[in-house]
Amino acid sequence: GQQVMQIPQYQHVQEGEDFTTYCNSSTTLSNIQWYKQRPGGHPVFLIQLVKSGEVKKQKRLTFQFGEAKKNSSLHITATQTTDVGTYFCAGPRDGGTSYGKLTFGQGTILTVHP
Amino acid sequence: DAEITQSPRHKITETGRQVTLACHQTWNHNNMFWYRQDLGHGLRLIHYSYGVQDTNKGEVSDGYSVSRSNTEDLPLTLESAASSQTSVYFCASKGQNTGELFFGEGSRLTVL
Repeated sequence: GQQVMQIPQYQHVQEGEDFTTYCNSSTTLSNIQWYKQRPGGHPVFLIQLVKSGEVKKQKRLTFQFGEAKKNSSLHITATQTTDVGTYFCAGPRDGGTSYGKLTFGQGTILTVHP
Repeated sequence: DAEITQSPRHKITETGRQVTLACHQTWNHNNMFWYRQDLGHGLRLIHYSYGVQDTNKGEVSDGYSVSRSNTEDLPLTLESAASSQTSVYFCASKGQNTGELFFGEGSRLTVL
């Protein structure tokens, strides 16, 4: 079945350093979503990428969708303590229109040391 | 404000007992989902519903059931709880014109 792999599983950084998490799917995706989960909290939607090669920015966060639509990345510039949490990528389970049936990556747990 | 709420937030139960986790959303979303979260596995889809009287199995549905008698609620039932079902359970809903999932606060279930 479809697999979505995410690396690294853990990342520890000093405040101010950059951070990147990578997501790879075993199948071509129609779109990919990213979520953030604060410690003890629930996943919160960050963004959805749809187009091949798409790059979107949200302040210090940069999201990319690969040309083959099988991989994606999230890059945070100059991390802050508020960036702490787990970042998940997720793609449609059926490869096409998701309607919310998502396959999630295992997540990257980000720790930021002040 | 519209929201999605889960109850209970924490529950401890014994093996073999029936447990029901409630999920209620006030967005009038047709699409609702139950995911479980375990370390190293991310979130895995248990069951989902696209509307009243519609229910479907997800990736890890064994031992779980759901019902959808109205738009607002999708309760998740564990017919006979097992220790392997110790997990954090998240309910989510999705609007018509967006791919975004809105998650509840989660229900932490411990099966002893």
